[in-house]
Amino acid sequence: GAVVSQHPSRVICKSGTSVKIECRSLDFQATTMFWYRQFPKQSLMLMATSNEGSKATYEQGVEKDKFLINHASLTLSTLTVTSAHPEDSSFYICSAGGGIDRVRGYTFGSGTRLTVV
Amino acid sequence: GENVEQHPSTLSVQEGDSAVIKCTYSDSASNYFPWYKQELGKRPQLIIDIRSNVGEKKDQRIAVTLNKTAKHFSLHITETQPEDSAVYFCAASTGSYIPTFGRGTSLIVHP
Repeated sequence: GAVVSQHPSRVICKSGTSVKIECRSLDFQATTMFWYRQFPKQSLMLMATSNEGSKATYEQGVEKDKFLINHASLTLSTLTVTSAHPEDSSFYICSAGGGIDRVRGYTFGSGTRLTVV
Repeated sequence: GENVEQHPSTLSVQEGDSAVIKCTYSDSASNYFPWYKQELGKRPQLIIDIRSNVGEKKDQRIAVTLNKTAKHFSLHITETQPEDSAVYFCAASTGSYIPTFGRGTSLIVHP
């Protein structure tokens, strides 16, 4: 089945620094990747949708200059949290879509626990 | 846009009992309804899904029902086991397949 790899799984960074999170589709070409944020005991909130080779589409309220998304290839998308602050601490999950069955094309990465101190 | 409501937020049952989680959606164009199970700190895992042309789907102890007229769908887990304890999310999506998630239900199965 479709496999999505996300790294790192955990990261602790100092306030003001930037953190890059990678999301890779290992055995299929992901034409579309999604980035979600999840606060404790809350649902997945879609942050942005990225299509390979084009600019990401951000959801309302998500700062595109703070959460930089790059989808340079069909197997890799990156999310960079710039100038991180403690309120950015959260669980970030990517998912990848594409392939023949576009309706079901929703495989999640393992998530990244970001802690900003 | 789509709005998905999920209830209850917490569900506590005894091992062997059944558990039912209900969701409603607002967009009549939604045609795909997946359910995800998420254990603490892990990725959501698709456990069952249903499309709008089907009213019910079953997979062993798990079943999902869909009422398109009323715009609601439910997850049924029978003979619950402690390992069923997790957070369950419903979702609804249209042909664009970007789902809108419910707020989640924390299921606790007591041995």
